[in-house]
Amino acid sequence: DVKVTQSSRYLVKRTGEKVFLECVQDMDHENMFWYRQDPGLGLRLIYFSYDVKMKEKGDIPEGYSVSREKKERFSLILESASTNQTSMYLCASQKSRRGQSSYNSPLHFGNGTRLTVT
Amino acid sequence: GQQVMQIPQYQHVQEGEDFTTYCNSSTTLSNIQWYKQRPGGHPVFLIQLVKSGEVKKQKRLTFQFGEAKKNSSLHITATQTTDVGTYFCAGGHTGKLIFGQGTTLQVKP
Repeated sequence: DVKVTQSSRYLVKRTGEKVFLECVQDMDHENMFWYRQDPGLGLRLIYFSYDVKMKEKGDIPEGYSVSREKKERFSLILESASTNQTSMYLCASQKSRRGQSSYNSPLHFGNGTRLTVT
Repeated sequence: GQQVMQIPQYQHVQEGEDFTTYCNSSTTLSNIQWYKQRPGGHPVFLIQLVKSGEVKKQKRLTFQFGEAKKNSSLHITATQTTDVGTYFCAGGHTGKLIFGQGTTLQVKP
């Protein structure tokens, strides 16, 4: 089974701090994603990566950056945490299925990190 | 931008009653995936539909993909307390998955 591991389950940070959320997957998946989940808003895509050193903005990238130096690791960075970034953060990995445009591989999610910014 | 709307946001049912959640897209989708998130857990993949008008079943769960590939539904027959959780649809468009807002199901024993 695919395992996606997020480094922290709960995190409390202060406004203005730099925050690193780490995610590691063990199935050699090409694609990795960071989402935030808020009540009533579902899952919103922050950033994603289809390859090492590659990153693309999702729907809500403002205030975030990412790093993918190794295939198995995808880090989300909050340069200066703010209270509106208090949320549940979910990392996901996905095997790339190039050439099969009508089909998306399933996403495999980590357990999530609940970040509180005070 | 591309959106996938999911309704209802919440549903409370008595155990044994049926439940349905609906997803609607503003544009044609290449596929639709469904995920279930148990309370305190993370979303887990249930199924993918690719063909127009496709219907798939998993025990008491029936998944449908509309003829125009713009809508989908998940129907649970005779709900059980183990069905509690949030159900998300995710529509495939230009290689990406766009999630609906989710429907949270509560089941009263």
